[in-house]
Amino acid sequence: DAGVTQSPTHLIKTRGQQVTLRCSPKSGHDTVSWYQQALGQGPQFIFQYYEEEERQRGNFPDRFSGHQFPNYSSELNVNALLLGDSALYLCASSFPRARVGTQYFGPGTRLLVL
Amino acid sequence: AQSVTQLGSHVSVSEGALVLLRCNYSSSVPPYLFWYVQYPNQGLQLLLKYTSAATLVKGINGFEAEFKKSETSFHLTKPSAHMSDAAEYFCAVSDHSNSGGGADGLTFGKGTHLIIQP
Repeated sequence: DAGVTQSPTHLIKTRGQQVTLRCSPKSGHDTVSWYQQALGQGPQFIFQYYEEEERQRGNFPDRFSGHQFPNYSSELNVNALLLGDSALYLCASSFPRARVGTQYFGPGTRLLVL
Repeated sequence: AQSVTQLGSHVSVSEGALVLLRCNYSSSVPPYLFWYVQYPNQGLQLLLKYTSAATLVKGINGFEAEFKKSETSFHLTKPSAHMSDAAEYFCAVSDHSNSGGGADGLTFGKGTHLIIQP
C-alpha cells in the first residue's frame, strides 16, 4: 500500500515565477492538507481539500491556491514567488470524515526561490 | 486561536536515560493533541495522539504522553533513550473547528531537536 507521495522532490524557481506541487493521498483517504515548513520551524497549515473543495484555510495569502481532483489527488499552486516562499512543502492525507483521524504526511517537496 | 509552545529547541540525553520533551498548548476548546517525529529529509510520522479519552496516551517506539488540563501540557516521555530516537519532534494541536468535513488543520510548535549521546 503506497503512502502519501509528492512530486517533484526538489524544485528551484526564481522570484516572480509560478510553481505547482503535486500530491497523491494514501489509498482510501479523501482529505488532503498542505503545510509549509520553513527551515528550522514547525509546519504551518496552508489549506485543506475535501470533496474537491477548499474546506479550511490557514493564514496564507491568495497567492497560494489549490485544487483537488476526482481521484483525491491535489495540487498546490503558488504565484508570484517570493524569496520567503523557500521551504519544504508537506502534503498530508486522512480518512473520510475522520475529525481526529491521523494525518499521514508525504516526504515533501523542497522549494528554493532565488 | 490555538497555539503550541515547545520548551527547548534542543534537548540532549544520554543513551538509556529518560527522554522528556515539553509541550504546552493554548486552545479555547478542549483540544486534540498530537506528537509527530521527523527524521532528516523525511516527512512527519505520528507518534501518538490525545482525543479526550484516556489522559495517558501510549504511542509507538516506547513513547507516551500525559494530557494535563490544569497545566495545559502534553509532555512526551520515553523511559530509556535509544540512538535511533535522535530526530526532530513536533507537538501539534487541533481545536476541531473545521466545519467543512475531514480532519482539522494542525497547529504545530517550532519543534525540539533530540540529541542522543552515546
